[in-house]
Amino acid sequence: DQQVKQNSPSLSVQEGRISILNCDYTNSMFDYFLWYKKYPAEGPTFLISISSIKDKNEDGRFTVFLNKSAKHLSLHIVPSQPGDSAVYFCAASGDASGTYKYIFGTGTRLKVLA
Amino acid sequence: GAVVSQHPSWVICKSGTSVKIECRSLDFQATTMFWYRQFPKQSLMLMATSNEGSKATYEQGVEKDKFLINHASLTLSTLTVTSAHPEDSSFYICSARGGSAQETQYFGPGTRLLVL
Repeated sequence: DQQVKQNSPSLSVQEGRISILNCDYTNSMFDYFLWYKKYPAEGPTFLISISSIKDKNEDGRFTVFLNKSAKHLSLHIVPSQPGDSAVYFCAASGDASGTYKYIFGTGTRLKVLA
Repeated sequence: GAVVSQHPSWVICKSGTSVKIECRSLDFQATTMFWYRQFPKQSLMLMATSNEGSKATYEQGVEKDKFLINHASLTLSTLTVTSAHPEDSSFYICSARGGSAQETQYFGPGTRLLVL
């Protein structure tokens, strides 16, 4: 049972345009969400997070939007740069056990074209 | 952000041998460390959660006798793959988190294991 889903395995965007990466979740107990960027054969790098008490969090070119009623979050990258090309994972945490383990989505490979 | 290191970055071993992977938090004290495994083109799958000074909690389907985890200090956790077999070949990644349960996890660079 995939509790966190990223339905687009890949996305191509022109340099300078907006990249929008989507993530859906099923567990209503999740209350903390994160986006990580990953290059091949490297560990994930933390990008941005959002708590369920917010619906938007912004950090430079990266903005995360959370729609709790739809159980959906998205990452916007504006403007997109070639160096943004990587695999992006969303993660969710927060459950009854209080362990705050991360559940990762399957990733979306972003390619920013110069 | 916080820095987490892993050693070795890659290892090739013969079937039947044991391999130890170290995970260190370099500039913060990690009360909790996590071990993940990633197969090619797949997501990161949590294997176990380890808290300093206590036994690790393993996810369903992960053999605790095969994947031994030790979290002896606030800056070091080790994963030992015992009697490794080719199907254990994978990319192993650790992450570390500070004092608060809701604090962000910071990931190490990963260890590529190839068992021949």
